[in-house]
Amino acid sequence: KAGVTQTPRYLIKTRGQQVTLSCSPISGHRSVSWYQQTPGQGLQFLFEYFSETQRNKGNFPGRFSGRQFSNSRSEMNVSTLELGDSALYLCASSLSPGTGMQTDTQYFGPGTRLTVL
Amino acid sequence: DAKTTQPNSMESNEEEPVHLPCNHSTISGTDYIHWYRQLPSQGPEYVIHGLTSNVNNRMASLAIAEDRKSSTLILHRATLRDAAVYYCILRERGNQGGKLIFGQGTELSVKP
Repeated sequence: KAGVTQTPRYLIKTRGQQVTLSCSPISGHRSVSWYQQTPGQGLQFLFEYFSETQRNKGNFPGRFSGRQFSNSRSEMNVSTLELGDSALYLCASSLSPGTGMQTDTQYFGPGTRLTVL
Repeated sequence: DAKTTQPNSMESNEEEPVHLPCNHSTISGTDYIHWYRQLPSQGPEYVIHGLTSNVNNRMASLAIAEDRKSSTLILHRATLRDAAVYYCILRERGNQGGKLIFGQGTELSVKP
């Protein structure tokens, strides 16, 4: 079974631009979560989508948004990029999130490295 | 959200056992204890999880204290590939969904 894939792997943008990142979950997984990882803040939860609905949201400004399609693929968008948005953006998918049990396991992709100049 | 505390870093020698501790004194009765690790330049990966009893899988063992206020991830024979940041995370059954709350984790280095 193919793992979680993220595209693109690397991206360079300038301040003020917007960016869209894509995530394809493991086949059959309906939950997709997004995380931002920076050296200073570590791994921080952005939001989660389940069956095309945003179910959880982290503490990020409205410039960060996302959506999920009927095939469970997800995109996240960051508008009006700031230097501080430079980070590794990770997405994860799971089968039955929220149970705490084995089916709650989150499978992570390799991430998209975003650099804002 | 219940919080976990881990040492910032630990060192081990190759082929020796490693015990990675985690304190979670505010754990609730329904919280599962999950461990993930992040190898360099990769996304995190699941290692093991448990509720009350000790657990073993092909990657590691998880020892949970009787009062559940602490747990220890055990790598029986560390290899160079085990050098990673290890995260101990509490998962509450309910409406958390896919949200994982990562702490700073323990950076494990393995010496040959």
